[in-house]
Amino acid sequence: AQSVTQLGSHVSVSEGALVLLRCNYSSSVPPYLFWYVQYPNQGLQLLLKYTTGATLVKGINGFEAEFKKSETSFHLTKPSAHMSDAAEYFCAVSDRGRGSTLGRLYFGRGTQLTVWP
Amino acid sequence: NAGVTQTPKFRVLKTGQSMTLLCAQDMNHEYMYWYRQDPGMGLRLIHYSVGEGTTAKGEVPDGYNVSRLKKQNFLLGLESAAPSQTSVYFCASMPGSPYEQYFGPGTRLTVT
Repeated sequence: AQSVTQLGSHVSVSEGALVLLRCNYSSSVPPYLFWYVQYPNQGLQLLLKYTTGATLVKGINGFEAEFKKSETSFHLTKPSAHMSDAAEYFCAVSDRGRGSTLGRLYFGRGTQLTVWP
Repeated sequence: NAGVTQTPKFRVLKTGQSMTLLCAQDMNHEYMYWYRQDPGMGLRLIHYSVGEGTTAKGEVPDGYNVSRLKKQNFLLGLESAAPSQTSVYFCASMPGSPYEQYFGPGTRLTVT
């Protein structure tokens, strides 16, 4: 099974500062990679995903992430934080498997982002 | 489209009671999933289904059963609820890999 590590369960930044949320995965075969965001009392919403092709992926709300195979990482960044970015962020990976394992997502434990005015 | 809906939104059970959580999706997705979310644990997969009439165990299946009699519905049952099953339950669906999973709004379950 895949393993996903999100470094830092809580990250705090000032409004306008860079946001960097870290994600590392365990697979030796590059999986599909996802970042989801969860606002209070809501379900998860997809921010961005990497499947194939360009390793720098742009998502919604100004977020982007870069897949680095050599580092088995998929860190999420945003150049300038906004108050509305305060939420919990989850990194997830999916096997490039077949049959019944296809599409299974393995989640990190989440990073709570706080944005100070 | 309503997307993925979950019923009920909130429920309080006493230990030993049973209940069924309903997940419905109107996107004609093949794959459906049930997760539980606990503080600091991320989302953990309970059961999933890769098509109508099929189900499979996930990471934490004990104490839960599921059924997928119709493509659009995925039911999660608790036969004898325990306090350890207090959690927020999320359903998700997916058309196929490598598409993303679409999540419902969640059901907050408390077992006393």
